[in-house]
Amino acid sequence: AQTVTQSQPEMSVQEAETVTLSCTYDTSESDYYLFWYKQPPSRQMILVIRQEAYKQQNATENRFSVNFQKAAKSFSLKISDSQLGDAAMYFCAYRRQGNLIFGKGTKLSVKP
Amino acid sequence: DSGVTQTPKHLITATGQRVTLRCSPRSGDLSVYWYQQSLDQGLQFLIQYYNGEERAKGNILERFSAQQFPDLHSELNLSSLELGDSALYFCASSVDSGTFYEQYFGPGTRLTVT
Repeated sequence: AQTVTQSQPEMSVQEAETVTLSCTYDTSESDYYLFWYKQPPSRQMILVIRQEAYKQQNATENRFSVNFQKAAKSFSLKISDSQLGDAAMYFCAYRRQGNLIFGKGTKLSVKP
Repeated sequence: DSGVTQTPKHLITATGQRVTLRCSPRSGDLSVYWYQQSLDQGLQFLIQYYNGEERAKGNILERFSAQQFPDLHSELNLSSLELGDSALYFCASSVDSGTFYEQYFGPGTRLTVT
């Protein structure tokens, strides 16, 4: 069975600085998708970025980018120029068939 | 706003009771997924429906059941409720059930069992 591991329960970053959240996963499949979701205090699940496993190029969405290392089964999220609004829980997720498999999450705090 | 609606937003009930959570997917989406978010188990997939048919099951208890109606809205029924069922229940929808299609999450229903 596929598993997703986020080894950092909590992280902290200074406003305007850069932070990297780690995620590793386990799968025997070669074709799948990986996602980072943000969950602010409102509890809404917001898709931040996604990566197709067959693409070697790392996905980028404005200040958010990923470092996807397929062989190492690693999928980290880099947030540049951190803003107060980035404070939230971040979940890494894997998808092979229909449903998403989530990690336990990393709580990100942003210090002004 | 994702376009997925869930009602009610909050639900407080007693142990042993039965509740129904409702989800309306985005217009045009045929697939509905239910997820449970609890402090101890994290975010877990419960069940998926596609165009009225059950497509996949996850860690769903036998006390829980779901269905998708012809108008594509879905209901999650939770019975014989226990304290441990207290959680945030999310519904998500997508156009189809394939890996490619993005899932859009509703705002969730917070269930408190006392």
